[in-house]
Amino acid sequence: EAGVTQFPSHSVIEKGQTVTLRCDPISGHDNLYWYRRVMGKEIKFLLHFVKESKQDESGMPNNRFLAERTGGTYSTLKVQPAELEDSGVYFCASSQWQVTGFVVNTEAFFGQGTRLTVV
Amino acid sequence: KNQVEQSPQSLIILEGKNCTLQCNYTVSPFSNLRWYKQDTGRGPVSLTIMTFSENTKSNGRYTATLDADTKQSSLHITASQLSDSASYICVVSADTGGFKTIFGAGTRLFVKA
Repeated sequence: EAGVTQFPSHSVIEKGQTVTLRCDPISGHDNLYWYRRVMGKEIKFLLHFVKESKQDESGMPNNRFLAERTGGTYSTLKVQPAELEDSGVYFCASSQWQVTGFVVNTEAFFGQGTRLTVV
Repeated sequence: KNQVEQSPQSLIILEGKNCTLQCNYTVSPFSNLRWYKQDTGRGPVSLTIMTFSENTKSNGRYTATLDADTKQSSLHITASQLSDSASYICVVSADTGGFKTIFGAGTRLFVKA
């Protein structure tokens, strides 16, 4: 079974340009998450999709970031225009289900990440 | 403020030795706590998942403990191997309906021969 895959693995762009990152979750996983780690910091949550709907996008830093998940399959994260502080590693993860309430026992599988460098 | 703090920041041990990594959190309302292993250039891989009712969970040579009262967790690695060299990240999920996850900064473990 294929894991979570992310494209590209690396991207170097100039400030002001646009970059689109793609994440293919594990087939059948309704939940898809985006995270990022900027230099020297911990990984931080960006947003969470349930199928094609944005469940929680409270971690999105600003309106230069746009995430989509049309059809509830793969997702894209577009940064437009990119700034220097956007450099970092962007991770995507997926999980099969979540349960509200007391018991949550779902495992999230991570992709290898996309290293974005804005120069 | 929801936070996850890990210690030590880095650790060097000899192959075959045991070690314990710590995680303290202030995340509320608590949903679950996970330990991940992240090799260089790879995405995090889940080691254990614990809810508030679980005190201990093992995965091979990895044993995680959770004290929901003191909001502390530990990851114990037994008989370390060179392949255990990695970052170990504690991740706590808050049950806020959106299940926001808060990551610790990780402990960088180096296992030397």
